[in-house]
Amino acid sequence: EVQLLESGGGLVQPGGSLRLSCAASGFTFSSYAMSWVRQAPGKGLEWVSGISNSGGSTYYAGSVKGRFTISRDNSKNTLDLQMNSLRAEDTAVYYCAKDRICSSTSCNFDYWGQGTLVTVSS
Amino acid sequence: EIVLTQSPATLSLSPGERATLSCRASQSVSSYLAWYQQKPGQAPRLLIYGASNRATDIPARFSGSGSGTDFTLTISSLEPEDFAVYYCQQRSNWPLTFGGGTKVEIK
Repeated sequence: EVQLLESGGGLVQPGGSLRLSCAASGFTFSSYAMSWVRQAPGKGLEWVSGISNSGGSTYYAGSVKGRFTISRDNSKNTLDLQMNSLRAEDTAVYYCAKDRICSSTSCNFDYWGQGTLVTVSS
Repeated sequence: EIVLTQSPATLSLSPGERATLSCRASQSVSSYLAWYQQKPGQAPRLLIYGASNRATDIPARFSGSGSGTDFTLTISSLEPEDFAVYYCQQRSNWPLTFGGGTKVEIK
């Protein structure tokens, strides 16, 4: 059974940093691209960042480029998102998502974690 | 950035009725369009990929159609568990984008 378990969310002040992690199990982690998708309270979905199966290629939404860094450790089956210079508009539930079939790029997401809430507020 | 516009924002229907949801792209996405269902407090679930292909274990009452800029998700006969928010998503161009969602509510 595929499982994605996010951790690391919490309350952080504007300008602060936070690191999210996603522990994956139940599939060959190193074969699939992975992404982070967020959802602000009461709002829709926003793709944030993606990474290829090898970790060699990374992709970012314009709203987070230069502030967030995605990485993965295929030996530990973990996906991370380092978030710096956080803003109030980054407040959201952050989901870790497995790509359905793509390895080198992000396509569609067939498995999602339950999400971790990040709140940016003073 | 490709903008996906979903309509209507809210669809009020009764169980057993047919639901037709629309997603329009600001430029062609070919057939690189997916649909997701999200229920309150839950993560999204992939329903349709490649515009018309049902994902694993998705019931046959869900179908997708369209190409280019205009897409439709049809639920042939609404079951109680189908009342939820539905999102379209394109993977044709970076960045990946989602539509704003259509809420299917019980009339």
